[in-house]
Amino acid sequence: DGGITQSPKYLFRKEGQNVTLSCEQNLNHDAMYWYRQDPGQGLRLIYYSQIVNDFQKGDIAEGYSVSREKKESFPLTVTSAQKNPTAFYLCASSPPWGVGQPQHFGDGTRLSIL
Amino acid sequence: AQTVTQSQPEMSVQEAETVTLSCTYDTSESDYYLFWYKQPPSRQMILVIRQEAYKQQNATENRFSVNFQKAAKSFSLKISDSQLGDAAMYFCAYRVGGGSQGNLIFGKGTKLSVKP
Repeated sequence: DGGITQSPKYLFRKEGQNVTLSCEQNLNHDAMYWYRQDPGQGLRLIYYSQIVNDFQKGDIAEGYSVSREKKESFPLTVTSAQKNPTAFYLCASSPPWGVGQPQHFGDGTRLSIL
Repeated sequence: AQTVTQSQPEMSVQEAETVTLSCTYDTSESDYYLFWYKQPPSRQMILVIRQEAYKQQNATENRFSVNFQKAAKSFSLKISDSQLGDAAMYFCAYRVGGGSQGNLIFGKGTKLSVKP
């Protein structure tokens, strides 16, 4: 079955540590996105990528980094510069044919501070 | 900048009854798309319904329908014959059309409870 796989489901970060969240899709989608969700908030865009080897900052990119070396993969690194990383992180993708197509989401990763 | 506002943080409905969730948005664009997503306790984001701004006809998907008022920039979701499985967070989202950017802008959500 086609879909988006995020791993791990739960992740803990120590002070000063970088951690990487994985996002893989087998939907053959060109565009991929990372969102952050805080309690009582909607989703906020961290980074997005329309094609391989290209990505753009979203609204809250500070303290995060991404790469897009393969169409299927869009990992997100939460760096030590992100002082408040505790949140639920969602990865999404969308097909290239028309911006009206809905985004498909993974099941998310919950990141907590130790 | 585009914004999406959901003015009802929480709503409650009796099973089998009808409930309407409100959403307003602000944009200067004429070509855009609107979505309602459902997020149950499992935290999955599930597409409920989609509306193209250039279509005057309101979208429907089984028990879910929208009331799209373009001039008023309003996009409410109506859930008919509510079921226990409808209990979830509901997010309204906006996406500008016509270009390469396809980012979704989300409202803060409405938590819907369904009473048996």
